[in-house]
This record gives sequence, C-alpha cells and structure tokens, in this order.
Amino acid sequence: RKEVEQDPGPFNVPEGATVAFNCTYSNSASQSFFWYRQDCRKEPKLLMSVYSSGNEDGRFTAQLNRASQYISLLIRDSKLSDSATYLCVVNAGTYKYIFGTGTRLKVLA
Amino acid sequence: NAGVTQTPKFRVLKTGQSMTLLCAQDMNHEYMYWYRQDPGMGLRLIHYSVGEGTTAKGEVPDGYNVSRLKKQNFLLGLESAAPSQTSVYFCASSPTGWAKNIQYFGAGTRLSVL
Repeated sequence: RKEVEQDPGPFNVPEGATVAFNCTYSNSASQSFFWYRQDCRKEPKLLMSVYSSGNEDGRFTAQLNRASQYISLLIRDSKLSDSATYLCVVNAGTYKYIFGTGTRLKVLA
Repeated sequence: NAGVTQTPKFRVLKTGQSMTLLCAQDMNHEYMYWYRQDPGMGLRLIHYSVGEGTTAKGEVPDGYNVSRLKKQNFLLGLESAAPSQTSVYFCASSPTGWAKNIQYFGAGTRLSVL
C-alpha cells in the first residue's frame, strides 16, 4: 500500500459546482497534513494546512479523519482558475514529507 | 520577492556527463530540500539540509550529491548522469518555528538524460 494515496482523476466539473477529493495515508503516526496546488508545468504551492478540527479558507474546506486515516479537500463554487492538480502531503516524521501523486481537477465553462 | 530560484530551467545531458543544479533562496530559511517529480509518482526527497554546512539523505539519494556552503544556496550535483535521472527537479525551502512545515518551491529544472 502506498504511504499516501489519491485518486488521480481527472475530476471534470462545471463552473459553480462543489467538488471534493480524499487522500488516504498509511502511517498512523503522521503529524501534519497539507494540501498543495500544482498548475501544469509549475511548482507546487501551499493551498492550506489541515487541522484536526477542520479548517476553511474562503471556498476551500479541509478535514482530517484520524480514525480512518484520510484527509479531504472540498471546493465550493468552482472557478475556471481552480483547474489544477491538488497534492496531498503528509508529514510522517522530522523532515519526512510524503507527497501524493495528485488529483487533477478540470473546471469546465 | 524572488523567493526560491533554480538554475538552469532546462538541461539536456548525455549519459555519463556531470552537472550541478543551483538553488538560491532569499527568505533566510534554514531548511532546504531537493525533490524529483516523475510521472505517476509523488515528489520524492533526494537530499535535504537543516542549516548551513549540513546535509542529509532523503528517500532517493543514490547518484546525487549536495552541498550547502552558504545558507542561501543548496547545490545538487549529478556526477555521472543516467537516463533514470531524467526528471523534473524541485528545490524547496522552509523556515524554522511554527511554519517549518510550509515549503516554498522553486520553478523547477527539467532535465533529460539521453
């Protein structure tokens, strides 16, 4: 089993739709969790950290479920500019960051 | 703000050639990392540094060497390039303290080894 697993997609959704991605992780000792966004042929950029109680940043909501070992990202009112690959990142120890392969989102006009 | 700058952006090498990738950051970050990204795989850590003069191996260090002689620079060397090292290489840096897990990435270096 991979340490971090994501559905590669693509998720094709119309503008204005709500879309959610999950990411499962295998190491129950994982301490910190993040979502990064990566545009085509660009570098990853931090979208948001994921806190135990869940957190929201505008149209984006992140949740952590430690019991089932997954994190989720919900995007409301999708924009064309949200089209990108979303990377799940798990901190599994000091300086050890495990990156998922990413979930590709395409928002259609 | 320049942030994290990688040079070169593209490079084509022949098998057996050597090269150095340069990463420079102007954010006074202590931690720096080198990753490679291959199709169908997540970013994998090659080497990292927790401060000037220190380096450590990551997940896939074989065939690479690094140096951090100055705090702002982290160099990745390929002594004898192999086709398996064809990849996109990303450098990242992060501060200490509460934000230490937030990594800032450079734009990447696309390397092809023929």
